[in-house]
Amino acid sequence: EDQVTQSPEALRLQEGESSSLNCSYTVSGLRGLFWYRQDPGKGPEFLFTLYSAGEEKEKERLKATLTKKESFLHITAPKPEDSATYLCAVQASGLTQGGSEKLVFGKGTKLTVNP
Amino acid sequence: ETGVTQSPTHLIKTRGQQVTLRCSSQSGHNTVSWYQQALGQGPQFIFQYYREEENGRGNFPPRFSGLQFPNYSSELNVNALELDDSALYLCASSWGRTGELFFGEGSRLTVL
Repeated sequence: EDQVTQSPEALRLQEGESSSLNCSYTVSGLRGLFWYRQDPGKGPEFLFTLYSAGEEKEKERLKATLTKKESFLHITAPKPEDSATYLCAVQASGLTQGGSEKLVFGKGTKLTVNP
Repeated sequence: ETGVTQSPTHLIKTRGQQVTLRCSSQSGHNTVSWYQQALGQGPQFIFQYYREEENGRGNFPPRFSGLQFPNYSSELNVNALELDDSALYLCASSWGRTGELFFGEGSRLTVL
């Protein structure tokens, strides 16, 4: 059973068309939920950390929110340069292996913004 | 400030061979994590090194091993390569066990 599920798998938007990406999780003892952006052939780039339900973070056209079971990444008036795969990851006490609290990633949402 | 650098960027190996991937962590970071990312999937945790000690391991067999050096750089070694080992191998550094990781651009391994 997947512990982190992202939807949709792919999303195509027109420039300026706002939308939201979803990340649902089933882990216990959440320490943090993280959003990353990944461009083709590159490593993920850190965007946000959310620690508790009700928390919100913003950066340019992106806004991340967190509830007890899911997180949303809202994209307002996107531009073509926002096209990328957006990855959600969780860190939780229930996922501790050895001394590390590893990140468990979802499969990502591939966002394409057409001009 | 120097970011995370990985080498080589691409390599092709045959089944049964061994490979070593290298990673230089970002300046000031003392923790290195390695992840495997198959095509169309999210990264999967392999292991983490903190102050030269392995500090946790994911569900990968012992033929995946690693090292961290005093300057916090790291190596990932994979023995007896299998076709399913073909993937992008990502190194990430951080200060401590935070989930705010700084990733390199990865090493793309193809096993034939």
